[in-house]
Amino acid sequence: EPEVTQTPSHQVTQMGQEVILRCVPISNHLYFYWYRQILGQKVEFLVSFYNNEISEKSEIFDDQFSVERPDGSNFTLKIRSTKLEDSAMYFCASSLLRDTNNSPLHFGNGTRLTVT
Amino acid sequence: GNSVTQMEGPVTLSEEAFLTINCTYTATGYPSLFWYVQYPGEGLQLLLKATKADDKGSNKGFEATYRKETTSFHLEKGSVQVSDSAVYFCALKGPGAGSYQLTFGKGTKLSVIP
Repeated sequence: EPEVTQTPSHQVTQMGQEVILRCVPISNHLYFYWYRQILGQKVEFLVSFYNNEISEKSEIFDDQFSVERPDGSNFTLKIRSTKLEDSAMYFCASSLLRDTNNSPLHFGNGTRLTVT
Repeated sequence: GNSVTQMEGPVTLSEEAFLTINCTYTATGYPSLFWYVQYPGEGLQLLLKATKADDKGSNKGFEATYRKETTSFHLEKGSVQVSDSAVYFCALKGPGAGSYQLTFGKGTKLSVIP
C-alpha cells in the first residue's frame, strides 16, 4: 500500500537555525498537510496545501513557517529561525480529495524536531 | 472553537480484556468524528469514523458510536490483543472549521500485556 514518507525521522538543531522537514506524499494525492504534536499535548493542525497554494493555516503557522512543493513529489515545511518551543513531532499527511469524510488523511511516521 | 477531550493514559490491560477509551467533543453544528491509531514507529492511521449522529464506526473489532446527546465517541473493543498496543487519537472535523483540518485529542496510550 502506498504511504507517506518523511525524512529525517529525527532532526536536532540549534535555536535560531533554519530547518527543513521533508515529506513525499502519496503520488496521486492532491491535498497536503502538516500537523505537529508537542510532547504530551494534542496533535495540532498547521497548514493545508493544494494546487501550489496554502488553502488554510492555523494561528501557529506564523511568518516563521513556510511550505513548498518544489517538484512533483516533495512537500516541505521550513522553519526559518527555530525556537525552543518548536520542538515537537511534525506529521505530514496527504489526501486524494478535499472532503476528509470520504477521503481519509494518510499520515507519515513523523519527524521529531529537537531544538536546543 | 472545536475541541476533543480523551481520557488520560496510559491504559494497561491484559490480553482479552475489554477496552473503553472515552472521548468527548465540543463543536458547533454536527461534526464528523474519527479514531486514529499510531502503532510504534509508524504514522497515524484512520481506524474508524462516523459522520452523523447514531452512526457506528467499526474496524478490526473496534467500535465507536456517535452520541450527539452526550457529545461522545467512545472507543470500545471486546477483547484486546497484544498487537493492539498503540496510541489512540480521537479527532473531529467540524462543519464550522475549514474542510481541511482535523482537531485531535491528546492521544491515549494503550499497552496490552500477555
